[in-house]
Amino acid sequence: DVKVTQSSRYLVKRTGEKVFLECVQDMDHENMFWYRQDPGLGLRLIYFSYDVKMKEKGDIPEGYSVSREKKERFSLILESASTNQTSMYLCASSLQGNEKLFFGSGTQLSVL
Amino acid sequence: GQQLNQSPQSMFIQEGEDVSMNCTSSSIFNTWLWYKQDPGEGPVLLIALYKAGELTSNGRLTAQFGITRKDSFLNISASIPSDVGIYFCAGAAWGGGNKLTFGTGTQLKVEL
Repeated sequence: DVKVTQSSRYLVKRTGEKVFLECVQDMDHENMFWYRQDPGLGLRLIYFSYDVKMKEKGDIPEGYSVSREKKERFSLILESASTNQTSMYLCASSLQGNEKLFFGSGTQLSVL
Repeated sequence: GQQLNQSPQSMFIQEGEDVSMNCTSSSIFNTWLWYKQDPGEGPVLLIALYKAGELTSNGRLTAQFGITRKDSFLNISASIPSDVGIYFCAGAAWGGGNKLTFGTGTQLKVEL
């Protein structure tokens, strides 16, 4: 079975801090994605990557950046965390395209 | 970015009841998918639909790809306690950068 592992289940940070969310997948998938989940808004795509060192903006990239130095690892970076970035962050990967996504368990980030 | 509207937003049903939920869009999609998110976990793919009018089942779940390509429906028959969770629809459109658009989610709670 595909396993997508997110490094932290819960994270509490202060406004202005630089935050790293890490995601690792073990099935050699080409594609990796970062979503945020907010009540009533569903899942919104932040960034995605189709290859190592490649990244593309999703629907809400402002305030975020990403890094994909190795195929199995996709990091989400909040350069200067703000309270409106308090959310559940979900990482996903897929073998081809972006339909059959495999998700991690999520990181609940609170920015105080 | 566009979002899909799901209804109802939440529902509280008795064990054994049938459940219906739907997802609507202002634009056409070529693929519709349904995901389920268990509490504390990431979403998992339930059903994928690729053709207008298609009806597909997965156990007690049945989903349909609307004829207009702007909607999809999910039915759950004889609900059980483990059906609890959030159900998300998602659509993909050709020429849309191959990105998935997720719905706002339907939260299902089952009363014993």
